[in-house]
Amino acid sequence: DVKVTQSSRYLVKRTGEKVFLECVQDMDHENMFWYRQDPGLGLRLIYFSYDVKMKEKGDIPEGYSVSREKKERFSLILESASTNQTSMYLCASSLTGYTSYEQYFGPGTRLTVT
Amino acid sequence: QKEVEQNSGPLSVPEGAIASLNCTYSDRGSQSFFWYRQYSGKSPELIMFIYSNGDKEDGRFTAQLNKASQYVSLLIRDSQPSDSATYLCAAFTGGGNKLTFGTGTQLKVEL
Repeated sequence: DVKVTQSSRYLVKRTGEKVFLECVQDMDHENMFWYRQDPGLGLRLIYFSYDVKMKEKGDIPEGYSVSREKKERFSLILESASTNQTSMYLCASSLTGYTSYEQYFGPGTRLTVT
Repeated sequence: QKEVEQNSGPLSVPEGAIASLNCTYSDRGSQSFFWYRQYSGKSPELIMFIYSNGDKEDGRFTAQLNKASQYVSLLIRDSQPSDSATYLCAAFTGGGNKLTFGTGTQLKVEL
């Protein structure tokens, strides 16, 4: 059974704090993704990684960084949290393929920055 | 310009009816398409995917793809209140290893 886990379901941080969100998958997937989801804006890709130590910017990378030291783990870092980073953060993973490219999502982390 | 478009809804259907959810895409290079269901406060859950023109059926769900017209649809037969959720359409273009998501259609199945 596919399993993607995220370190926290709910997180409250103060403005200026450094925030770490962690994602772990147990499916040996090559690709991992970080999204944020806001009402009316849908899912927006922040960063993704297609291999260990490899990363690519998504549509909204500003204010974020990522780390992938092991295949199963992908971390999202908010260097200095701001109130406009209050959002639902979703991690996903997938295999690499031509037709079978389904992404599986973790439960999400609802981050509030005060 | 949005690459994957969905009507935000809400789409209301009575219990037992067929719900029809539509999605259009702008990139003709898109190769495969995915439908996700998302309950309020939860993460998206994959329902099915399709990459060939025509219909693909899985239980009460049927995905339809028309590449010439650049649209994808999801039909839900015998709709149940438990089908009430937001349905996300996503397209894979084969480059960049990523999916492009629509903003989702909210479906309400009424008793």
